[in-house]
Amino acid sequence: KNQVEQSPQSLIILEGKNCTLQCNYTVSPFSNLRWYKQDTGRGPVSLTIMTFSENTKSNGRYTATLDADTKQSSLHITASQLSDSASYICVVRPQTGANNLFFGTGTRLTVIP
Amino acid sequence: DAGVIQSPRHEVTEMGQEVTLRCKPISGHDYLFWYRQTMMRGLELLIYFNNNVPIDDSGMPEDRFSAKMPNASFSTLKIQPSEPRDSAVYFCASSGRVAGSETQYFGPGTRLLVL
Repeated sequence: KNQVEQSPQSLIILEGKNCTLQCNYTVSPFSNLRWYKQDTGRGPVSLTIMTFSENTKSNGRYTATLDADTKQSSLHITASQLSDSASYICVVRPQTGANNLFFGTGTRLTVIP
Repeated sequence: DAGVIQSPRHEVTEMGQEVTLRCKPISGHDYLFWYRQTMMRGLELLIYFNNNVPIDDSGMPEDRFSAKMPNASFSTLKIQPSEPRDSAVYFCASSGRVAGSETQYFGPGTRLLVL
């Protein structure tokens, strides 16, 4: 069983609308949780990073939240733009073996005009 | 900085052929990672190096896969012989010293298709 589960698998929204992507994880204890954005044909790029003691982190129109008790994170995108169309990957770094990251399979977001 | 550089960007080969993927990490980064990405399994860590030394290769699927890092600015991932199930996008990433929050910077990937 994957230790990082993301939902939904894919999502289509209208330009200008908001959306929320979910990440549930079982990795414990963990050092930090990161959201990556991966445009088609490119490598992932880091959007936000949160340690286990942080609840929220923003990067422009992207806001990530973390509930370490329930082991859930979400990525909220406000006022979506066509350029937000991409895959969003949740990545958890454990406290031990710090370079062995656990990746979710991603949510594919499509923003349509 | 040009970022992580990978070549080739695309590779189409026949089953049984040898495939060599190349990576140039960001200058000054101590860590280099090789990942494989498929639709079914997402991103999977294959192997990573620290100061040119392989640290963890437990993700390498089988003996057909090998990776080297002869110096701080170059690494290769080799598949010999290749099989259709090796078709995937292979990413190289690099990062500075591990401090728990170090970001891994990914290259553009090599899209491999084995026929």
